[in-house]
Amino acid sequence: GAGVSQTPSNKVTEKGKYVELRCDPISGHTALYWYRQSLGQGPEFLIYFQGTGAADDSGLPNDRFFAVRPEGSVSTLKIQRTERGDSAVYLCASSFSRNTEAFFGQGTRLTVV
Amino acid sequence: EDQVTQSPEALRLQEGESSSLNCSYTVSGLRGLFWYRQDPGKGPEFLFTLYSAGEEKEKERLKATLTKKESFLHITAPKPEDSATYLCAVQGSNQFYFGTGTSLTVIP
Repeated sequence: GAGVSQTPSNKVTEKGKYVELRCDPISGHTALYWYRQSLGQGPEFLIYFQGTGAADDSGLPNDRFFAVRPEGSVSTLKIQRTERGDSAVYLCASSFSRNTEAFFGQGTRLTVV
Repeated sequence: EDQVTQSPEALRLQEGESSSLNCSYTVSGLRGLFWYRQDPGKGPEFLFTLYSAGEEKEKERLKATLTKKESFLHITAPKPEDSATYLCAVQGSNQFYFGTGTSLTVIP
């Protein structure tokens, strides 16, 4: 597709459950970012991939969060033992290379009940 | 520490009333300053990239400028469809640092 695609667009899960959020970046973009956005706030950095490797995962809040990008394209953000505080919009972005503008998907709204 | 501060938090303008949004930043080695527009329930939409002090970019009613410490997004004769949250971001070594945005409302 022409833009960054994220699925699902909405996810409601029970506290303690495991969730996976998917990001399909723009074709040819080597850099991929995950961000989290709470209401009224700017996006907060989680993790950055350059190709298949996580170049910077310093924004992941704790070890319940993990992300992969096995073939250098699609990425999955995985959250174990979800907590109500994990509720937010999770945004994925991709860019052609490290120092160029990033293009965002529409986000996945995660609600933990 | 890399940091971005945007002001004002919210701005209400009459249609046609020009104004400016501010983004002040501290970053060790600016690799780029980016402006995005975000509509409710949507992801940020890319507007501009600025790389060096003195640079300017324009798109329709929007013009972005950059100095060594801040950037301005000038809106000329805004229309109601310009209502959105405008986000500023600077690029550090591995990530984009975002401000909290300016929520712009243009009243017909």
